[in-house]
Amino acid sequence: AQKVTQAQTEISVVEKEDVTLDCVYETRDTTYYLFWYKQPPSGELVFLIRRNSFDEQNEISGRYSWNFQKSTSSFNFTITASQVVDSAVYFCALSPTSGTYKYIFGTGTRLKVLA
Amino acid sequence: SAVISQKPSRDICQRGTSLTIQCQVDSQVTMMFWYRQQPGQSLTLIATANQGSEATYESGFVIDKFPISRPNLTFSTLTVSNMSPEDSSIYLCSVVSGSDEQYFGPGTRLTVT
Repeated sequence: AQKVTQAQTEISVVEKEDVTLDCVYETRDTTYYLFWYKQPPSGELVFLIRRNSFDEQNEISGRYSWNFQKSTSSFNFTITASQVVDSAVYFCALSPTSGTYKYIFGTGTRLKVLA
Repeated sequence: SAVISQKPSRDICQRGTSLTIQCQVDSQVTMMFWYRQQPGQSLTLIATANQGSEATYESGFVIDKFPISRPNLTFSTLTVSNMSPEDSSIYLCSVVSGSDEQYFGPGTRLTVT
C-alpha cells in the first residue's frame, strides 16, 4: 500500500528561524515521484517541487531546500530564515511515475511563523 | 504551468440541493482530476475526468453523488448532488501539464447548512 506520513501536525517558529518539515512515505513501486505543495490561507495549492525516485540529490531553491533519502524513505523540507509569508499548510505527496498521476497526499503540516 | 480557474470560489448551500462547480484551464490538457479536502484534512481524489467519456471514480465516490462532465480538453464540471453537511469541503480541480507536473485550481469552498 502507498502511504505518506507527515507526523508534525503543527509547527510554530519565530521569524528568521530555520524549520524542517518531515515527510515519510511507503510504496512498493520502484519508481515514483515525490512532491511538496504549499497551501496558504487563501486555499490554493502551490506546487513547490517534484523529485524522481532515481534522483537523490538534495535541492536548494532560495530559502527552500529538500533532503531526499531513499534509505529512510524520507523527503524532508527545510525553510531557512523563515518569514511570516511562509505561514501555510504544507503537503507532501507521492505518485507512481507511470500512468495514473494519482497522488497520495500526507495529512499536511501547518506552519505558523510568528513575527 | 497551466492557469486554472474555478467557479464559484465559494458557496453556501442548503441540505438536499445540488451545486455544479466549473473548472476552466487556459490550455488543452490531457488529464484533469477532482479532489475533495474536508475541513482540516488532506486531499482525497474523487475522480479522473475523462474527455468524451464517463469519469473514473475512486473507491468511496459514485457517479450519482458526484456526476462529472468533461466536454473538451479545457473544461470540466463537478456536481455535488443532494448535499448534506458532510459534503462541506473545498473541492479542487487539477490538471497535469506537459512536463508531468500536477497543478491545482484555487478551489471551491462549499458549506452545506
